[in-house]
Amino acid sequence: GAVVSQHPSRVICKSGTSVKIECRSLDFQATTMFWYRQFPKQSLMLMATSNEGSKATYEQGVEKDKFLINHASLTLSTLTVTSAHPEDSSFYICSALRLAGGHEQYFGPGTRLTVT
Amino acid sequence: AQKVTQAQTEISVVEKEDVTLDCVYETRDTTYYLFWYKQPPSGELVFLIRRNSFDEQNEISGRYSWNFQKSTSSFNFTITASQVVDSAVYFCALRISGGYNKLIFGAGTRLAVHP
Repeated sequence: GAVVSQHPSRVICKSGTSVKIECRSLDFQATTMFWYRQFPKQSLMLMATSNEGSKATYEQGVEKDKFLINHASLTLSTLTVTSAHPEDSSFYICSALRLAGGHEQYFGPGTRLTVT
Repeated sequence: AQKVTQAQTEISVVEKEDVTLDCVYETRDTTYYLFWYKQPPSGELVFLIRRNSFDEQNEISGRYSWNFQKSTSSFNFTITASQVVDSAVYFCALRISGGYNKLIFGAGTRLAVHP
């Protein structure tokens, strides 16, 4: 099956700093990737849709200047949480859309961000 | 509007019991897809099944079975003879045709299987 990786799996950063999370599709090209956030004991909430070579589309209520998304290649999308605050602590999950075989989203293992 | 409702927040069963997780969806589209995912404590989502709106056949895969009923807009998931390893959060999700491939997730049902 298709494989999507995320790096890092866990990160702890200090309040006010920025942190970058990478999402890679390892065995297929993905023109579209999605970024989700999941707070403890809650569901996945779509933050934004990342499109290769163009600007990301953010969901309502998500600050695009705070959550910078770059999709510079067909296998890599990055999410940068800028000026992180404790309330940004969450589990961030990416998925990559594979067009072949049914437009399926393949999920990464997630990144647990803790802001102290 | 599109919506997925998983009314059961938490379910606790004893090993070997059968358990059904409910999923009710809302959409006005005639073409859509329904999914079930498992999220174990590790956090990684595990794909279980995809169903399109034109296929109402029930499906069985080992101890797992799914019942899709368009008349009641439900896509329920049953685990037969549950095992401790089934303990996880289970999410039902909806994807509509033309919806930019976005997935709409339900709130999830936390299943605890006790020995």
